[in-house]
Amino acid sequence: GESVGLHLPTLSVQEGDNSIINCAYSNSASDYFIWYKQESGKGPQFIIDIRSNMDKRQGQRVTVLLNKTVKHLSLQIAATQPGDSAVYFCAENPNTGNQFYFGTGTSLTVIP
Amino acid sequence: DTGVSQNPRHKITKRGQNVTFRCDPISEHNRLYWYRQTLGQGPEFLTYFQNEAQLEKSRLLSDRFSAERPKGSFSTLEIQRTEQGDSAMYLCASSGAPFRTEAFFGQGTRLTVV
Repeated sequence: GESVGLHLPTLSVQEGDNSIINCAYSNSASDYFIWYKQESGKGPQFIIDIRSNMDKRQGQRVTVLLNKTVKHLSLQIAATQPGDSAVYFCAENPNTGNQFYFGTGTSLTVIP
Repeated sequence: DTGVSQNPRHKITKRGQNVTFRCDPISEHNRLYWYRQTLGQGPEFLTYFQNEAQLEKSRLLSDRFSAERPKGSFSTLEIQRTEQGDSAMYLCASSGAPFRTEAFFGQGTRLTVV
C-alpha cells in the first residue's frame, strides 16, 4: 500500500512565528500533492496544492516545498495565527489512479 | 455554490442495522469520492465516481458497503448490517475539470454503532 507519513505528530508554535510541517511520501509515481487543514469535527479544507513539475508554490501566508529526490513535502505557514490551530494532512495522488493517500496528520497548536 | 453537503451530520445506530448517507457535491463537479476517517488517522479512500460510473473501489469497501451515484449528481453510501468497527467519520469530496485537481470535502457524517 501507499505510505504517506509525517515527521512530527504535534507541533506547538508561538503566535506570530512561522510554522513548518513536514511530510514524507513513498510512491515515486505520485505527481500531485495537496495540503489540507482539518479542524475538530469538520471535513478537511484545501490549503494549497503542488504538481511534481514544480519545487515551490506560494499562497496566502502558506508555501509548499516539494523535494522529489528525497520524496519530501513541507508546508510553511507565515506569521502563524490562533486560527491556524488544526490538524494538517498531506495527500498524494499517484499518476496511476484517482485516489488520494493521506498521512496520519500533524496537530498544530498556536500559543497566544 | 454552497460546497459539498453531507447528510446526516451524525448517525447513531444499533449493530446490525442498515444506514445510508447522502452526499451532494459541488454542482458540475463530475468526480466524487468517499473516504472514511477514524480518530487520529487521515482519511482512507473508499470509492470514486466519475459522473455516474463507479471507477475505483478500495479493498476497505467490503460487501456490506455499497455506493451509488445514479444520475451523476448526488451520491449515497449504504452500510448493511453495521458493525462496531464501522464507527467512523464518512467523508465525501468532489472535484471538477481539469482532471486531477483539488478535491473539496464536505463536513462528513459521524457514524456511531452501538
